[in-house]
Amino acid sequence: EAQVTQNPRYLITVTGKKLTVTCSQNMNHEYMSWYRQDPGLGLRQIYYSMNVEVTDKGDVPEGYKVSRKEKRNFPLILESPSPNQTSLYFCASSLSPGGIGVYNEQFFGPGTRLTVL
Amino acid sequence: GNSVTQMEGPVTLSEEAFLTINCTYTATGYPSLFWYVQYPGEGLQLLLKATKADDKGSNKGFEATYRKETTSFHLEKGSVQVSDSAVYFCALSNDYKLSFGAGTTVTVRA
Repeated sequence: EAQVTQNPRYLITVTGKKLTVTCSQNMNHEYMSWYRQDPGLGLRQIYYSMNVEVTDKGDVPEGYKVSRKEKRNFPLILESPSPNQTSLYFCASSLSPGGIGVYNEQFFGPGTRLTVL
Repeated sequence: GNSVTQMEGPVTLSEEAFLTINCTYTATGYPSLFWYVQYPGEGLQLLLKATKADDKGSNKGFEATYRKETTSFHLEKGSVQVSDSAVYFCALSNDYKLSFGAGTTVTVRA
């Protein structure tokens, strides 16, 4: 089954304790992205990756890191989590980045609910 | 920059009622427009899309028309069901990036 998977689905942690949220897709997609969803703000892009070893900042990258060593995986790293990073996180992937006038549908993972105490 | 504004919820309806969720946008160039739906406990799914002015996207009884003159992309459904209860997001893209509205929570009562 074609899908985007995320782990863990739920995580409660404490301030300053490094964590990683994994994201994996089995569709051979080039483009992957991380979003956070907060009430009243919709989804905001954190980081994205056009392909292996190519990553760039989205709208809200502060406090996050990513890596893209393999095409299928795009982990999100919080080196020193803080309470303002409590949120619902989504990973998404698409066949290719698309471009002006060209949009490739993004497929979303089920989400990771993170609470930082 | 790009921005999307959609009507705030929550919206509560009875089954078979008519649903409208307003969405307006600001963007440079000629963006593509989308509606995504998020069912409880799940990720987002693409509901419908329109890639140029006057296009109408439709799926599962939902429709939305790309109106360039009013920069709008309102979502409509003529007769909602309990299974339509979800959060609906309007979004736009004029490059490889998606910009989302805040989301509208819709609850349909039997």
